[in-house]
Amino acid sequence: GAVVSQHPSRVICKSGTSVKIECRSLDFQATTMFWYRQFPKQSLMLMATSNEGSKATYEQGVEKDKFLINHASLTLSTLTVTSAHPEDSSFYICSARRGDSSQEQYFGPGTRLTVT
Amino acid sequence: DAKTTQPPSMDCAEGRAANLPCNHSTISGNEYVYWYRQIHSQGPQYIIHGLKNNETNEMASLIITEDRKSSTLILPHATLRDTAVYYCIVRGPYTGTASKLTFGTGTRLQVTL
Repeated sequence: GAVVSQHPSRVICKSGTSVKIECRSLDFQATTMFWYRQFPKQSLMLMATSNEGSKATYEQGVEKDKFLINHASLTLSTLTVTSAHPEDSSFYICSARRGDSSQEQYFGPGTRLTVT
Repeated sequence: DAKTTQPPSMDCAEGRAANLPCNHSTISGNEYVYWYRQIHSQGPQYIIHGLKNNETNEMASLIITEDRKSSTLILPHATLRDTAVYYCIVRGPYTGTASKLTFGTGTRLQVTL
């Protein structure tokens, strides 16, 4: 199946710093990418949807100035957690939707963020 | 809100078929049923999807009732590696908000020896 990668897989940062997470579709072009967050023992919650070259659409309750999303190309999207705090510690998962007629959606392996 | 209802957990003996049910009584005529699974601390993995006909691939079979209000995912010969949370998701065919994958609580399948 199609491959979506994320980098880094784990990151620990100090409170108040910013962290960037990359999401790449390795063997297909993704017109749309999604960012999810998952807290322990909970389901995935969609944070935002981004289309290449345009601004991201954020879900209700997600602060767009705190979670900066850039989708600069058809294979790369980045999520920057600005001024991170311990409550931002979570599992962040990206997903990429194929730009062809299948419109299939594949998920990355996730990034574990711990803010100390 | 998730548009599906699944049992929170199920057990299955290794080698036996695992049948995971899903109710989606409010599904629209143009909405698909998707199944993903998530193994602990990994991203979700696509399993299968269907509209109205039954579907089969190398991983599983999907049986959708004639009225489309429920479906069953079948893992024909479950192994320990199939232990995961299985999500049944209803998704619209369009590229707009109706096509977002919204995850419910899923079914935690435990495969045992």
